[in-house]
Amino acid sequence: AQTVTQSQPEMSVQEAETVTLSCTYDTSENNYYLFWYKQPPSRQMILVIRQEAYKQQNATENRFSVNFQKAAKSFSLKISDSQLGDTAMYFCAFTNTGNQFYFGTGTSLTVIP
Amino acid sequence: GAGVSQSPSNKVTEKGKDVELRCDPISGHTALYWYRQSLGQGLEFLIYFQGNSAPDKSGLPSDRFSAERTGGSVSTLTIQRTQQEDSAVYLCASSLTVMNTEAFFGQGTRLTVV
Repeated sequence: AQTVTQSQPEMSVQEAETVTLSCTYDTSENNYYLFWYKQPPSRQMILVIRQEAYKQQNATENRFSVNFQKAAKSFSLKISDSQLGDTAMYFCAFTNTGNQFYFGTGTSLTVIP
Repeated sequence: GAGVSQSPSNKVTEKGKDVELRCDPISGHTALYWYRQSLGQGLEFLIYFQGNSAPDKSGLPSDRFSAERTGGSVSTLTIQRTQQEDSAVYLCASSLTVMNTEAFFGQGTRLTVV
């Protein structure tokens, strides 16, 4: 069975600082995709970044980057130069077939001015 | 449409009543997913459609829950004889194909059963 674990229910960071959100997952599959989604108070889930498991290079999208450790089944999200608009719930997600996405329980991030 | 649209945005219903939640996926997206998000919880998978077909209904929590999709587009999630534990945000997502793997979400329907 596939599971996704986010062990940090809440985190905070000073504006302009860097923060790292943790995610681990469990799967017996070799090919899969990992995602970080952001859910602001509007409830709209927004894709932040995605990583294909077959790619060794860590994905980067502007201020967002991941540290993908396949052997350790770890997929952390680093947010650099945090902005007030980054305040949201962040969900780590996994899929291997696209039939179903498995989500963690989320990390509530607050950026402090 | 430009994005995934869900209606209503909020729904308050009395215990025991039936409710229908609607999802309009992005035009051309063949895969459609329903999730439930309870307060303080992650997303619980309910069902997905490939076209009008739902190969996997195992995520539906009880036989009071059903979903259909017509014309490969709009989907409705129906909850019969609602219970208070059904209160949650119901999120719909769509993707170009099942294997495309990038899912776009709607803003959800917040269901409150009183």
